[in-house]
Parts: sequence; structure tokens; C-alpha cells
Amino acid sequence: DAGVTQSPTHLIKTRGQQVTLRCSPKSGHDTVSWYQQALGQGPQFIFQYYEEEERQRGNFPDRFSGHQFPNYSSELNVNALLLGDSALYLCASSLGDELEFGNGTRLTVT
Amino acid sequence: GQQLNQSPQSMFIQEGEDVSMNCTSSSIFNTWLWYKQEPGEGPVLLIALYKAGELTSNGRLTAQFGITRKDSFLNISASIPSDVGIYFCAGRALYGGSQGNLIFGKGTKLSVKP
Repeated sequence: DAGVTQSPTHLIKTRGQQVTLRCSPKSGHDTVSWYQQALGQGPQFIFQYYEEEERQRGNFPDRFSGHQFPNYSSELNVNALLLGDSALYLCASSLGDELEFGNGTRLTVT
Repeated sequence: GQQLNQSPQSMFIQEGEDVSMNCTSSSIFNTWLWYKQEPGEGPVLLIALYKAGELTSNGRLTAQFGITRKDSFLNISASIPSDVGIYFCAGRALYGGSQGNLIFGKGTKLSVKP
């Protein structure tokens, strides 16, 4: 039973570009959350999707947007990339309170 | 945004030693979760706590949901080399702007004593 899968695993982008990260939730999970983890820090909540709608949002600018598809998979989009957006982006899926994480996408902005 | 205070930031373990770490918050939490993260991987759930005072074990790991609902601790007994990694506490606030979101501490890095 595949857990949460994310693609790509690594990505290098230039300042000002746009990026799309993808996530497939664990089978049976209907809720997807996205987190940003800077080096040496704990994950920070970006937003959560349920029934194809953004249900909650953390303290991130509008440059960060997302989408959830009918099959529960999700995308995270970041526009106008800044150097400070370099981080590990984690997707987590859940059916209740317990989040299961993927291995993340390492984004480097140069 | 709201953060949890997790301590210690790092610690060295010798095989066989017991290890303790804890998390505190200024807000009341209704859920406490403990995760472990190893290099190149996402956090993996170790223990979940849902009631004040709850004490739960998972093998050599024991965690408790504080009575005040503002803290939690994790103990690892008889540590082994594969316990090395970064341990995160995470919780859900009962009230406030971040209500319902899972908030993470900054982690406790466990390393083997040289």
C-alpha cells in the first residue's frame, strides 16, 4: 500500500520563476495538507485541502496557491519565487487527526 | 505564527541511556503528536495523544499529554543507535487563529555520543 508520494524529489529554480509541486495522498485519505520546512526548523503549515477546496490557510502570502483534484491528489504552486522560498516542501494526507507525510520536494531557489 | 517550545534542541545519547524531551505552548491544545524525521525523509508518526493526562507507549517510547493541556513529553528508554534522528512535537490548538492546524516544534536532534 503506497503511502504519500511527492514529485519531483528535487528542483532548482531561479528567482522570479514559478513552480508546481505534486502530491498523491495515501490510499483512503481525503485531506491533503502542505508544509514548508526550512533547514533546521520544524514544518510550517501552508494550507489544507478537503473536497477540492482550501479549508484552512497558514501565514503564507498569496504567491502560494494550491489545488486538489477529484482523485484527492494535490498541487502546490508558488509564483514569483524568492530566495527565501528555498526549503523542503512536505505534503501530508489524512483521514482524521493523524497526518502521514511524504518524503518532500527539496526546492532550491538561486 | 504560533510556535511550540521544544527542548532540548539537541542531545547526545549513549546506547542504553534513557532520553527525555518536552514541548510547551502558551495555548491549550486538544491533540499532541510526536514525529521522528530522518535525513531525506518526511516525519513519521510515533505517538498520538488526545486527552489531558493520557500516557501512551509505543515500544520503548512513552509520551504524555500534560494535565494543563499546554505541554507534552516524550521518553525513550534504553536508547539504541537507530534512535538517532530529529524528533518533533506537534499539536492542535483549541482556540485562536491557528485552531485546527497542526503546529510543530523546532525539533530535538538526537545524536550518538562520540
